[in-house]
Amino acid sequence: AQSVTQPDIHITVSEGASLELRCNYSYGATPYLFWYVQSPGQGLQLLLKYFSGDTLVQGIKGFEAEFKRSQSSFNLRKPSVHWSDAAEYFCAVSTKAAGNKLTFGGGTRVLVKP
Amino acid sequence: GAGVSQSPRYKVTKRGQDVALRCDPISGHVSLYWYRQALGQGPEFLTYFNYEAQQDKSGLPNDRFSAERPEGSISTLTIQRTEQRDSAMYRCASSPRTGGGLSGNTIYFGEGSWLTVV
Repeated sequence: AQSVTQPDIHITVSEGASLELRCNYSYGATPYLFWYVQSPGQGLQLLLKYFSGDTLVQGIKGFEAEFKRSQSSFNLRKPSVHWSDAAEYFCAVSTKAAGNKLTFGGGTRVLVKP
Repeated sequence: GAGVSQSPRYKVTKRGQDVALRCDPISGHVSLYWYRQALGQGPEFLTYFNYEAQQDKSGLPNDRFSAERPEGSISTLTIQRTEQRDSAMYRCASSPRTGGGLSGNTIYFGEGSWLTVV
């Protein structure tokens, strides 16, 4: 069965420091990979996505993610965190075989210290 | 509208009552999805439509749950005889063409409807 794991439930980071959120998936086929962010009172917003090609993808708000097939990972990174980055982040995966179903990880909540 | 709109945003209902949650997708979007998100968890797929046709309802937990999109635009998710375990956020999403997460198609989510069954 398909699964997505975000090992870190909470992460606290100081403003200006770097951030890395982990995502691992278990799929038999080549996956399509996504990162969404959920801020308080907001819907889920797409940060970035990977379908094919360059394994390092750039997204909005200064985020990037790298697809590593050998590690079944798609970790999200930001070099310098801003207080407004405090939110919950979800990794999601779909495959051609899965059709339109996104399978989400459990999420990582990011707290930003001043 | 500018984004996916859901109503009501918050609903408290008594156990055993029926509930209808409404989703108004982005204008012109072909595909519409329903997800459910329990506290502390990621969203889980329920069902989706292309135009008015329900393509996949494999995520609906049981026959108390149903969804429709009769004119290919607004959709309603109905939960009959609600139970406390139905308490969750129900998220609607839409995408401009069929294919969901395939081929560069982006899915846009609404703010969700919080359902509490007491």
